[in-house]
Amino acid sequence: DTGVSQDPRHKITKRGQNVTFRCDPISEHNRLYWYRQTLGQGPEFLTYFQNEAQLEKSRLLSDRFSAERPKGSFSTLEIQRTEQGDSAMYLCASSRFDQETQYFGPGTRLLVL
Amino acid sequence: QKEVEQDPGPLSVPEGAIVSLNCTYSNSAFQYFMWYRQYSRKGPELLMYTYSSGNKEDGRFTAQVDKSSKYISLFIRDSQPSDSATYLCAMSRMDSSYKLIFGSGTRLLVRP
Repeated sequence: DTGVSQDPRHKITKRGQNVTFRCDPISEHNRLYWYRQTLGQGPEFLTYFQNEAQLEKSRLLSDRFSAERPKGSFSTLEIQRTEQGDSAMYLCASSRFDQETQYFGPGTRLLVL
Repeated sequence: QKEVEQDPGPLSVPEGAIVSLNCTYSNSAFQYFMWYRQYSRKGPELLMYTYSSGNKEDGRFTAQVDKSSKYISLFIRDSQPSDSATYLCAMSRMDSSYKLIFGSGTRLLVRP
């Protein structure tokens, strides 16, 4: 059990650019979640996958955001035409189908200039 | 009003003190209650998990859930400087994909 991993750990980009983040969940975890955390706040839910199916998306996830989980393994979160308001920590978490507890990765810190 | 309210602190205590951290919530449908610890610029780390009302103890940590009052607590005994972090309460429901709803976190500083 190597834990949830995320890549990159840090990303600095200019406004208007596209960025993509990757999450590798704990093996055997079929549930995968993306959250966003801004300074001084708790994480906020963005989207949820069960295996390869995206089952829920938050209203926070605008049309510029897209997430995928091909083959039910790793997941990617893409932000198109980044805005300064997208600057945040993007967290990935995973859990087994029969557990309520989620385990988080180290996060990807995004700064949009 | 947020679904989960948590005092942001900071809470400063001397080493060895008993720490009490609390959250209140508004949605009585929440079933699962968790506490996470988050060090600066790191991902949240699961500390305690409780289903429904009751107490749970793990080493120096005790989690309490009072569903009638919509109030959860985390107690830390014999606090250590290494406990200095932000503590996040979180809760979820089975009929809502188990997605976590977090409080804003309480910053704790344990002074040597």
